[in-house]
Amino acid sequence: GDSVTQMEGPVTLSEEAFLTINCTYTATGYPSLFWYVQYPGEGLQLLLKATKADDKGSNKGFEATYRKETTSFHLEKGSVQVSDSAVYFCALSDPDAGGTSYGKLTFGQGTILTVHP
Amino acid sequence: DADVTQTPRNRITKTGKRIMLECSQTKGHDRMYWYRQDPGLGLRLIYYSFDVKDINKGEISDGYSVSRQAQAKFSLSLESAIPNQTALYFCATSDPGQPNEKLFFGSGTQLSVL
Repeated sequence: GDSVTQMEGPVTLSEEAFLTINCTYTATGYPSLFWYVQYPGEGLQLLLKATKADDKGSNKGFEATYRKETTSFHLEKGSVQVSDSAVYFCALSDPDAGGTSYGKLTFGQGTILTVHP
Repeated sequence: DADVTQTPRNRITKTGKRIMLECSQTKGHDRMYWYRQDPGLGLRLIYYSFDVKDINKGEISDGYSVSRQAQAKFSLSLESAIPNQTALYFCATSDPGQPNEKLFFGSGTQLSVL
């Protein structure tokens, strides 16, 4: 079956530091890949996505590149802010035989990020 | 107002009790989902519904049931709650008209079973 593995957390950084959160996956098909973010007390919201190999998703200064050869989708940001403190989830959506992707996602375990001033 | 609303936000109950978690949405989406979040395990799919007449089991449906009362409402029930059902529960919706459809989540219901 499908699975997503994220780097162990929590991750603690100082403001303006560089962030990398590793994510690798296994899938039976050709999945779409996502990063969701969960701010304290809120539901998850989509941060970025990529649908095919070598695609780069980006949003709010965050980036991730779909690497099919290494089955990875690492999240990066060049300079984090205190407001980036949240839980980050890597996820995949595996299409059916007809190539349709549904909203049934497989999530990683989440990585807690804390950014200090 | 939130597009996906879950009630209650918090609930404490005792082992063996029946409990219902409710979800309503104003996004007009046909597809709705129930996920549970456990620390260190991420989110896991419990049930999903692609329209009012379509209900499907997810990865961890044992001990749960659902009802899709209308396009906008999707309820999750625990017929006889047990302590290992203590978790944060999320309802979500998606629009099949959007390629690689993204999920829209409610704020969650924290359930504690004593």
